[in-house]
Amino acid sequence: DGGITQSPKYLFRKEGQNVTLSCEQNLNHDAMYWYRQDPGQGLRLIYYSQIVNDFQKGDIAEGYSVSREKKESFPLTVTSAQKNPTAFYLCASSIVGGVGQPQHFGDGTRLSIL
Amino acid sequence: AQKVTQAQTEISVVEKEDVTLDCVYETRDTTYYLFWYKQPPSGELVFLIRRNSFDEQNEISGRYSWNFQKSTSSFNFTITASQVVDSAVYFCALRVTRDDKIIFGKGTRLHILP
Repeated sequence: DGGITQSPKYLFRKEGQNVTLSCEQNLNHDAMYWYRQDPGQGLRLIYYSQIVNDFQKGDIAEGYSVSREKKESFPLTVTSAQKNPTAFYLCASSIVGGVGQPQHFGDGTRLSIL
Repeated sequence: AQKVTQAQTEISVVEKEDVTLDCVYETRDTTYYLFWYKQPPSGELVFLIRRNSFDEQNEISGRYSWNFQKSTSSFNFTITASQVVDSAVYFCALRVTRDDKIIFGKGTRLHILP
């Protein structure tokens, strides 16, 4: 079955440490997205990419970085510059140009500070 | 700028009652899509429905129905004869055709009490 796989499910970060969240999709989608979800805040867009080797900042990109070296993969790094990283992170993908097409989501990664 | 408002933060109803989740959106674009997603406790967002701005027909799918009214910029979601499995967070979202991003509301947490 096609879908989006996020790993790990739970992640803990120490002070000053960078951590990387994995997102892999086998839906053959060109566009991929990273969202952050905080209680009562809904989903906020961190970064998105519509094509390999290209990506754009979302609304809350500070303290995060991404890469898109392969169509299937869009890892998110939470850097030490992100002072409040505790949140639920969701990865999504969709067809480029298909505005009416829904985004497909992974199961999420819950990041906490040690 | 686009905006989605879900004024109901949290709703609790007893099983078998009907419940309506409100969604009000703002956009100056004439062509756009509206979506509803369900987020069960497992965390993954599940796509429920999409509507384009030119189609104001209401839709029914089993116990779910959606009422789209452009005159009031609303896209409300009704669950008939609610069940405990309907307990989740529900998100309304908006995407305009000239933008790569989907704007999510903050979500409504629905509790169905047995």
